[in-house]
Amino acid sequence: SQQGEEDPQALSIQEGENATMNCSYKTSINNLQWYRQNSGRGLVHLILIRSNEREKHSGRLRVTLDTSKKSSSLLITASRAADTASYFCATDPGLGNAGKSTFGDGTTLTVKP
Amino acid sequence: GAGVSQSPSNKVTEKGKDVELRCDPISGHTALYWYRQSLGQGLEFLIYFQGNSAPDKSGLPSDRFSAERTGGSVSTLTIQRTQQEDSAVYLCASSSYRVQETQYFGPGTRLLVL
Repeated sequence: SQQGEEDPQALSIQEGENATMNCSYKTSINNLQWYRQNSGRGLVHLILIRSNEREKHSGRLRVTLDTSKKSSSLLITASRAADTASYFCATDPGLGNAGKSTFGDGTTLTVKP
Repeated sequence: GAGVSQSPSNKVTEKGKDVELRCDPISGHTALYWYRQSLGQGLEFLIYFQGNSAPDKSGLPSDRFSAERTGGSVSTLTIQRTQQEDSAVYLCASSSYRVQETQYFGPGTRLLVL
């Protein structure tokens, strides 16, 4: 089964609104990353948060991590039509599972102009 | 510098044929990953190369799948006797080192097996 599970599966909002996506995972992690994928393209790394961090910001992105609940959230503020994409979380289990970052099925975000 | 490149962009093949997919990682990146993404799904880990270490092949779905990485740079993913269920986008990524480092993805190869 997938280590990272995003919800909701799909999200549709108006331009200017905030979008929140959640990710839950099952086992301990070294870090968690969020990626973005435009239709038919490769993934682009957005932000990485380490297991000892609780919150991180990058521009209009805010990521939180709650290791006690094994969950993370990605908040996009003041959304734009160009934010329309699929967003994936990826969990890095760290030592002993080299290279096995696991990706969830993603949240498809549609931002209507 | 240049990002990760993959070729071909698209591949249509007949069931039973062999295909080779190529990945050129970012120069100097020691780690290289292959993933498979079916339509509307997340990424399925296939194989991981790190430097000169033996690759982690634990994600390869069957013995029809194999991958090589020559000279610590270019990688080729080979699928023998393709089946229709092999149709997917095959993504390659590289990173400078695994732990606490980000993966840089190529644009993928869309494989369609008829």
